[in-house]
Amino acid sequence: EVQLVESGGGLVQPGGSLRLSCAASGFSFSSYSMDWVRQAPGKGLEWVSYISSSSSTISYADSVKGRFTISRDNAKNSLYLHMNSLRAEDTAVYYCARIPSMVQGVDYWGQGTLVTVSS
Amino acid sequence: DIQMTQSPSSLSASVGDRVTITCRASQTISNYLNWYQQKPGKAPKLLIYATSNLQSGVPSRFSGSGSGTDFTLTISSLQPEDFATYYCQQSYTIPSLTFGGGTKVEIK
Repeated sequence: EVQLVESGGGLVQPGGSLRLSCAASGFSFSSYSMDWVRQAPGKGLEWVSYISSSSSTISYADSVKGRFTISRDNAKNSLYLHMNSLRAEDTAVYYCARIPSMVQGVDYWGQGTLVTVSS
Repeated sequence: DIQMTQSPSSLSASVGDRVTITCRASQTISNYLNWYQQKPGKAPKLLIYATSNLQSGVPSRFSGSGSGTDFTLTISSLQPEDFATYYCQQSYTIPSLTFGGGTKVEIK
């Protein structure tokens, strides 16, 4: 069974940093591209960042470029999101998501981890 | 950047109704259009990928159609478990993805 389990969320002050983790199991993690997608309270879904299976291709939404860094450790079946210079508008549930191919979109999602940026 | 516009933003329907949700892309995305269902407090779930392909385990009352810039999600006979928010998403410009604003399907 495919499982994606996020951790690392919490309350952080504006300007602070946080690292999210996503533990993957039940599939060959090193064969799949991965995404982070977020959802602000009561709002829609927003793509945040993408990393290819070998980390050769990385992309960010304009709203987080220069502040967030995506990475992965295929030996540990783990995906990460390092978030710096956090703002109130970064408050959201952050989902880890698996991308099987360009055609198939996101086929599995984690349960999400809540990040709250507030003083 | 490609913008995705869903309509309506919300609708009220009864069990057994046929429901149609539309999604329009600001430029052509071929057939790289996916649909997701999200229930409160839960992660989204993939329903349909590449415009019309039903994800494994999804009931056949869900169907998708369209091409280019205009796409449709249809629920042929609405069931109680279908009350949720539905999102379209383009994957034409992967790695960058874009979601529609969502359509909330509520009980009439």
